[in-house]
Amino acid sequence: GNSVTQMEGPVTLSEEAFLTINCTYTATGYPSLFWYVQYPGEGLQLLLKATKADDKGSNKGFEATYRKETTSFHLEKGSVQVSDSAVYFCALRSNDYKLSFGAGTTVTVRA
Amino acid sequence: DVKVTQSSRYLVKRTGEKVFLECVQDMDHENMFWYRQDPGLGLRLIYFSYDVKMKEKGDIPEGYSVSREKKERFSLILESASTNQTSMYLCASRPPTGEGTEAFFGQGTRLTVV
Repeated sequence: GNSVTQMEGPVTLSEEAFLTINCTYTATGYPSLFWYVQYPGEGLQLLLKATKADDKGSNKGFEATYRKETTSFHLEKGSVQVSDSAVYFCALRSNDYKLSFGAGTTVTVRA
Repeated sequence: DVKVTQSSRYLVKRTGEKVFLECVQDMDHENMFWYRQDPGLGLRLIYFSYDVKMKEKGDIPEGYSVSREKKERFSLILESASTNQTSMYLCASRPPTGEGTEAFFGQGTRLTVV
């Protein structure tokens, strides 16, 4: 079956630091890959996505590249802000209706 | 903007009660989902529906049922609430299957069963 493994948190950073959250997956076929973000007290919202190998998704300074050879979709941001404090979820969708999520990584950015 | 609305942000129910969690979306999406979110476990799919009156079990359906009488509304039912069902419940909707089609989430219902 499909599964997503992401880096355990929590992660605490200072403002302007570099952020990486690792995500690897197991799936049949050719999945689409997503990063969702959950700000405190809110539901999940899509941060970025990639639908095929070597695609790069980007949004709000975050980037992730779909690497089929390493089955990975690591999230990166070069300079984080306090407002980036949130829980980040890696997810995949294969040839059915369902999204499979990782366990989530809590990121706290300190001023 | 797509809007997915869950009827309650916080609920406290007693063990053995029948609990209804309601979700409404305004974008005419065919697919709707119920997840529960627990620390360290991420989101786990309880049930989903790909059309009115159609439903499919997700990964953890035990103790839950669902109802989809209208396209815009998807209800999660706890027939007899138990303390291990204390969790955050998230509803989502999505257009028909297509590459990269994103899901839209409600704000969540935090249910406590005492």
